[in-house]
Amino acid sequence: QKEVEQDPGPLSVPEGAIVSLNCTYSNSAFQYFMWYRQYSRKGPELLMYTYSSGNKEDGRFTAQVDKSSKYISLFIRDSQPSDSATYLCAINTPLVFGKGTRLSVIA
Amino acid sequence: KAGVTQTPRYLIKTRGQQVTLSCSPISGHRSVSWYQQTPGQGLQFLFEYFSETQRNKGNFPGRFSGRQFSNSRSEMNVSTLELGDSALYLCASSIAGVSYNEQFFGPGTRLTVL
Repeated sequence: QKEVEQDPGPLSVPEGAIVSLNCTYSNSAFQYFMWYRQYSRKGPELLMYTYSSGNKEDGRFTAQVDKSSKYISLFIRDSQPSDSATYLCAINTPLVFGKGTRLSVIA
Repeated sequence: KAGVTQTPRYLIKTRGQQVTLSCSPISGHRSVSWYQQTPGQGLQFLFEYFSETQRNKGNFPGRFSGRQFSNSRSEMNVSTLELGDSALYLCASSIAGVSYNEQFFGPGTRLTVL
């Protein structure tokens, strides 16, 4: 079993939709949970991080961590075409990444 | 403030050759990590350097090595290149690398091995 599992998609949604991206992880000792966004031909950039169970909100983005289920989520509200990118979950230090979910938001 | 820079951006090599990639971290950042990104395996951690010392190492063969200089700039070397080494190599820097510190990624070096 891989340490971090993420559905690679691709995921295609209409503009304005709510997007849900998810990862599961295997090691209950993991403490830090992050979401990165990667545009084509660019390096990943950090969107959000948290180190506890619960929700964390930043604008249109909400990160959710459920340590009891070893499940993390990223929700994007009112999705925009500019949100089209690959989203990677990452856990702990050094970072262990999911394989990324490619998202397309169609205008 | 300038971001993380990586040189070269693109590289084509043949099997058996060796290659050196360079990374300049954000000014003031002392930790540099290297990652390999491929469509099949995703982003995988290679190693991390802090104050010129390798602090963490991923599960890669000894053909992959790195070093960090006193100005925090880092290089990674891959010897005896194999076709499977074709990948995007990403460098990330952070202030200290202890516990959680945000890592800032460079644009990567795209290595193609023929």
